[in-house]
Amino acid sequence: RKEVEQDPGPFNVPEGATVAFNCTYSNSASQSFFWYRQDCRKEPKLLMSVYSSGNEDGRFTAQLNRASQYISLLIRDSKLSDSATYLCVVSPSGNTGKLIFGQGTTLQVKP
Amino acid sequence: DVKVTQSSRYLVKRTGEKVFLECVQDMDHENMFWYRQDPGLGLRLIYFSYDVKMKEKGDIPEGYSVSREKKERFSLILESASTNQTSMYLCASSFPAEDPRETQYFGPGTRLLVL
Repeated sequence: RKEVEQDPGPFNVPEGATVAFNCTYSNSASQSFFWYRQDCRKEPKLLMSVYSSGNEDGRFTAQLNRASQYISLLIRDSKLSDSATYLCVVSPSGNTGKLIFGQGTTLQVKP
Repeated sequence: DVKVTQSSRYLVKRTGEKVFLECVQDMDHENMFWYRQDPGLGLRLIYFSYDVKMKEKGDIPEGYSVSREKKERFSLILESASTNQTSMYLCASSFPAEDPRETQYFGPGTRLLVL
């Protein structure tokens, strides 16, 4: 079983749609959680951290469910510029500084 | 603003050549990482380093070595390149794990083709 699992998609949605991505992780002792965004042929960049209480940044909402070992990202009012691959990222226990990356979910927003 | 730079964006090498990939960060980060990214496999950690002259194997270290002589620079070495090392190589850096700013910052990547 992979340590971080995501549905690779692609998710094809029209502009203005709301879309949600889910991610599960296997290590219950994982400490920190992030969503990264990766544009085609570019490097991954931090989109947002995920906190236990849930957090929002504009059109983006991230939630964490530790009991179910589940992370989600909700994008409201999708824009063409949101088209990218979204990587679910988990920091394992042990304060190593290492991060475990999911394979990513590809989003394509159509006009 | 964090900046992580990599020595080449594109590289073409022949089987058996020794290949050096260099990464430099300007944020005084203690941690530095080398990943490769392949379609369907995602990002896989090759090696990482917590400090100067320190190195730790990641998930796929075979065929690679690293060097960290200065805090800002982390080099990945392919001792004898093989075609299965054709990939996108990404360098990243971060503060120590206990720092709340622990997230990793990536360089632009090097696309390596081994013929």
